[in-house]
Amino acid sequence: AQSVSQHNHHVILSEAASLELGCNYSYGGTVNLFWYVQYPGQHLQLLLKYFSGDPLVKGIKGFEAEFIKSKFSFNLRKPSVQWSDTAEYFCAVNARSGGYQKVTFGTGTKLQVIP
Amino acid sequence: GAGVSQSPRYKVAKRGQDVALRCDPISGHVSLFWYQQALGQGPEFLTYFQNEAQLDKSGLPSDRFFAERPEGSVSTLKIQRTQQEDSAVYLCASSLIAGGTDTQYFGPGTRLTVL
Repeated sequence: AQSVSQHNHHVILSEAASLELGCNYSYGGTVNLFWYVQYPGQHLQLLLKYFSGDPLVKGIKGFEAEFIKSKFSFNLRKPSVQWSDTAEYFCAVNARSGGYQKVTFGTGTKLQVIP
Repeated sequence: GAGVSQSPRYKVAKRGQDVALRCDPISGHVSLFWYQQALGQGPEFLTYFQNEAQLDKSGLPSDRFFAERPEGSVSTLKIQRTQQEDSAVYLCASSLIAGGTDTQYFGPGTRLTVL
């Protein structure tokens, strides 16, 4: 069974600082990887996803993530955060195989950006 | 545009009561997921429907939990004889295609408090 670890539970940054949120997964086979974000008072929504191809994935609002297969990692990055990036971020993994496979979420990282 | 809606948004139940939580997915979406999100945790998978078929209910924590999607659209999650440990936010998500690989669109959740 797959699992996801997000080691940073709460991150506080000043505006314009660079961001990197860690995500590691455990699964021996091929995976699909996702980052979801939940802004205060809003629904969970997709930030970006990786299925195949270029391991550097670009998402909305200037976010990107890099899939490093050898490290089982899919870290989220943004060069310069804004106050509006304050939210909770969830990494998720889905084992790719024939038919249906459920998505497993990490415990989330709360990001607080200070103006 | 219509997203995923859930009702009620908040539910307070006395221990032992039965509750029913409703999810209206995006029209035409084949896949529907239910998740349970405890405070400070990520969404935990409960069950998955492909149209009206419940293909995976491995995440349902006990036989007090029951879900249905009889016509392949609206879904109901029922919890019988609620316990305090059932207190959580229950999230519904839908996606366009079958399986777990597509982007999931989340509803606002139902916050259940069991007294």
